[in-house]
Amino acid sequence: NAGVTQTPKFQVLKTGQSMTLQCAQDMNHNSMYWYRQDPGMGLRLIYYSASEGTTDKGEVPNGYNVSRLNKREFSLRLESAAPSQTSVYFCASREGQTYNEQFFGPGTRLTVL
Amino acid sequence: KNEVEQSPQNLTAQEGEFITINCSYSVGISALHWLQQHPGGGIVSLFMLSSGKKKHGRLIATINIQEKHSSLHITASHPRDSAVYICAVGSNYQLIWGAGTKLIIKP
Repeated sequence: NAGVTQTPKFQVLKTGQSMTLQCAQDMNHNSMYWYRQDPGMGLRLIYYSASEGTTDKGEVPNGYNVSRLNKREFSLRLESAAPSQTSVYFCASREGQTYNEQFFGPGTRLTVL
Repeated sequence: KNEVEQSPQNLTAQEGEFITINCSYSVGISALHWLQQHPGGGIVSLFMLSSGKKKHGRLIATINIQEKHSSLHITASHPRDSAVYICAVGSNYQLIWGAGTKLIIKP
């Protein structure tokens, strides 16, 4: 099992460019999450998907869109990147709700110039 | 005031010392998670607690629901324990994250 995979690992964008971060999990989990992590701050939830076909906003959704393509894949799109979106992005998944462990991908380090 | 507070923010100790990291929260929760983030960035779940105490190897996690407080203990600490330890609390689908405690164990 690969667990949770993310691509790319690193990306540099110019302001205004768009890109999609890909995430896939092979554990048959229902719930998937996108977080960003900034220096000195805790993880902040951008969007989550409780199950295939549903998505909901988290704490910091502005400037992002998501797609739950199928049960395995959950992508995060930046339509017009801004320097404030420079961060490390983590995808995670878990089965069900709070009582289950959350599994994380390796992260994508994004720099917006 | 943050809903999840961790202390200390930074901790440096000598190899072999007993380590305690604290987490206090102000919201009602279903479960509390402890995670470890390695210097390379990867995040690994250590414990998920809803009551009492759990032990895994040299790691022990406790939670007091009435006091809204949890502790993570590391016995016989080792340089490979150096990492950021993160507390997160949650109910339903979302977790609220602490800012993390950066632990450095010196040989």
